[in-house]
Amino acid sequence: EVQLLESGGGLVQPGGSLRLSCAASGFSFSNYAMTWVRQAPGKGLEWVSSISGSGGSTYYADSVKGRFTISRDNSKNTLYLQMNSLRADDTALYYCAKDLWGSYPQLGDYWGQGTLVTVSS
Amino acid sequence: EIVMTQSPATLSVSPGERATLSCRASQTVSSKLAWYHQKPGQAPRLLIYGASTRATGVPARFSGSGSGTEFTLTISSLQSEDFALYYCQQYNDWPRTFGQGTKLEIK
Repeated sequence: EVQLLESGGGLVQPGGSLRLSCAASGFSFSNYAMTWVRQAPGKGLEWVSSISGSGGSTYYADSVKGRFTISRDNSKNTLYLQMNSLRADDTALYYCAKDLWGSYPQLGDYWGQGTLVTVSS
Repeated sequence: EIVMTQSPATLSVSPGERATLSCRASQTVSSKLAWYHQKPGQAPRLLIYGASTRATGVPARFSGSGSGTEFTLTISSLQSEDFALYYCQQYNDWPRTFGQGTKLEIK
């Protein structure tokens, strides 16, 4: 059974940093691209970033480019999102998702339950 | 960036009836279109990919159609568990983009 467990969210001041983690199990992690999607309170879904199975290719939304870094440790079956220079509009529930097909990121089939990031002074 | 526009914003339908949701892309996405639904307090669930292929375990009452810029999700006979938010997403180009959602509510 595929399981994705996000952690690392919390309350942070504007300009601060957080690192989110997504622990994966139930599938061959290194064979699948992974994605972060966020959802601000009461709002819709926003794609944030994706990474290929090897970690060699990464993709970012313009809203986070230069501030967020996606990475993965295939030996630990874990996906990360390093978030720097956080702003109030980064406040959201952050989901990680496993790709439907394989190593090139396309779309997520299994999603975690999310970790909440709140940016406020 | 490809803008995805869903209509209507809210759709009120009675249980047992058919629901039709629309999604339009600002430029062609070929057939690289997915549909998700999301119930309150839950993560999104993939329903349809490739515009018309049901994901594993999705009931046959869900069907998708369209290509290019115009897409439709049809739920043939609404069950109580189908009342939720529905999102479309294109995965033809970067950045990946979602529609703003359609709320399917009980009439």
